[in-house]
Amino acid sequence: KAGVTQTPRYLIKTRGQQVTLSCSPISGHRSVSWYQQTPGQGLQFLFEYFSETQRNKGNFPGRFSGRQFSNSRSEMNVSTLELGDSALYLCASSFSDPQGSGNTIYFGEGSWLTVV
Amino acid sequence: GQQVMQIPQYQHVQEGEDFTTYCNSSTTLSNIQWYKQRPGGHPVFLIQLVKSGEVKKQKRLTFQFGEAKKNSSLHITATQTTDVGTYFCAGNTGRRALTFGSGTRLQVQP
Repeated sequence: KAGVTQTPRYLIKTRGQQVTLSCSPISGHRSVSWYQQTPGQGLQFLFEYFSETQRNKGNFPGRFSGRQFSNSRSEMNVSTLELGDSALYLCASSFSDPQGSGNTIYFGEGSWLTVV
Repeated sequence: GQQVMQIPQYQHVQEGEDFTTYCNSSTTLSNIQWYKQRPGGHPVFLIQLVKSGEVKKQKRLTFQFGEAKKNSSLHITATQTTDVGTYFCAGNTGRRALTFGSGTRLQVQP
């Protein structure tokens, strides 16, 4: 069974631009969550989708948005990029309702975003 | 909001020494999960603990969940260079998304 696939793996953007990152979850998984990882802040939760509905949202500005499609694939978008947005963006999928107990998540390899 | 604290932030050990990382939650958890992230890699699920006082072992790794379900620990016996990486705990309250601890970076000197 294929794992969580994220594209692109690496990208460089300029301040003020916008970026869209894509995530294909493990087949059969309906929940997708996104995390931002930076050396100083660790894993910061961005948002979580289940069956195309956003179930949870972290403490990030409105420039960060996401969505999930009917096939469970998800995208996240960051508009008006800032230097501080440089990070590894990780997508994770899980089978069950994210609000249920015992929800193990499986991470993709991440998208490395550098803002210059 | 829920917070998960993890200590130490960093530990450097000689190969063969033991290692322990601790995780404390500000709220009672429904379960706690542990992940390992190798340098340059992504977090990989290790184990999940659900019951109060639960202890699970995976070869040289021992995981414990506290009686109050607010703390947990991961202990590695006789570390090896393959154990290098960052270990994260992640708490689940059953209502919100997993809350990750800040991680403990383990360096093993051969």
